Amino acid sequence: GQQVMQIPQYQHVQEGEDFTTYCNSSTTLSNIQWYKQRPGGHPVFLIQLVKSGEVKKQKRLTFQFGEAKKNSSLHITATQTTDVGTYFCAGRSPGNMLTFGGGTRLMVKP
Amino acid sequence: DTAVSQTPKYLVTQMGNDKSIKCEQNLGHDTMYWYKQDSKKFLKIMFSYNNKELIINETVPNRFSPKSPDKAHLNLHINSLELGDSAVYFCASSQNPGLVTGELFFGEGSRLTVL
Repeated sequence: GQQVMQIPQYQHVQEGEDFTTYCNSSTTLSNIQWYKQRPGGHPVFLIQLVKSGEVKKQKRLTFQFGEAKKNSSLHITATQTTDVGTYFCAGRSPGNMLTFGGGTRLMVKP
Repeated sequence: DTAVSQTPKYLVTQMGNDKSIKCEQNLGHDTMYWYKQDSKKFLKIMFSYNNKELIINETVPNRFSPKSPDKAHLNLHINSLELGDSAVYFCASSQNPGLVTGELFFGEGSRLTVL
């Protein structure tokens, strides 16, 4: 079955440092979504990428979808304490199944 | 108005008991889901319903039985609770995944603790 791996599992950064999480799928995806879950909260949709090689930005967050549509990354520039949480990628297969990665827990030291 | 609401938020119970979690969405979505999030934060899909019909049923013990009385509601009943059932259960909904983005809207979660 489809597997979506996400690394790293945990990341501690100093406030102001950059952060990147990577997502890899065992199969080609039709699209990929990213979610953020604050501590004690629920996952909240951030963005969806559909096209091969697509890059989208949301303020300090940059999302990329690989050319082969099997990997993706989320990069945060100059982290802030409000960025704390777990970031999940979720890959949708051509058969419409959405599979979540294991998440990357980001901790930011002020 | 909460888009996806689930009750109860917290549930503490003894092994062997039966419990239910209710979920309602007011977004007019066609598809609803139950996800289980364990202590390591892994999000695993359990069930998916599209317009009251079961479309995804992952390898979940048959002690778990979903029920969708209408497309705005998806309840989860768990029989004979076990220690390993302790987790946060999230309900979610989406528009038909074949249309538009198919992004998931999650409820706030129901934390189940089995003693």
